[in-house]
Amino acid sequence: AQSVTQLDSHVSVSEGTPVLLRCNYSSSYSPSLFWYVQHPNKGLQLLLKYTSAATLVKGINGFEAEFKKSETSFHLTKPSAHMSDAAEYFCVVSETGNQFYFGTGTSLTVIP
Amino acid sequence: EAQVTQNPRYLITVTGKKLTVTCSQNMNHEYMSWYRQDPGLGLRQIYYSMNVEVTDKGDVPEGYKVSRKEKRNFPLILESPSPNQTSLYFCASSPWWTGGAWNTEAFFGQGTRLTVV
Repeated sequence: AQSVTQLDSHVSVSEGTPVLLRCNYSSSYSPSLFWYVQHPNKGLQLLLKYTSAATLVKGINGFEAEFKKSETSFHLTKPSAHMSDAAEYFCVVSETGNQFYFGTGTSLTVIP
Repeated sequence: EAQVTQNPRYLITVTGKKLTVTCSQNMNHEYMSWYRQDPGLGLRQIYYSMNVEVTDKGDVPEGYKVSRKEKRNFPLILESPSPNQTSLYFCASSPWWTGGAWNTEAFFGQGTRLTVV
């Protein structure tokens, strides 16, 4: 069975400081992993994806994530937070491409 | 512009009155799916479709129907809506995954906020 656990429901950071959003996954196979972002009243936008190539994945807007199989983790990071990063972030796992399992989301607040 | 379009964006209805939420994509994607988003639960898959006339249940299919008569359209039907179906609904599409690694992404619509009273 596949599942995703986002370890923090809310994260607050000051503008200009690093961002860390944590995600652990469970999968019987080699999964594909994604991070999506949802801004208020908007749809979901793909930030980055891991599909068994490089373990360090770079995405849009300065975000990156590292796939660590030994820790079953796929944490999202950004060196310096910007006000526009305030949003809901979802970690997603898929083994088959048929079904995608979302975490419960992490709400990121950026303090000026 | 490549996009997934859902209609309506907002809908308030009464219990038991049949409704349809439409979803259309212009990217010639084979795969389409529906999700509902509820606070604290993330997004849960309702139904998905691998191609025309091929649909399958996701994790929370009860109370919903879908059809895929054309590649571009994937409507979500609530035959007899109930208040517990009040939610934010998202449609998504993506190209066909033919095996090996799933190396593409799902494109999401803007969402439909449904309230059943």
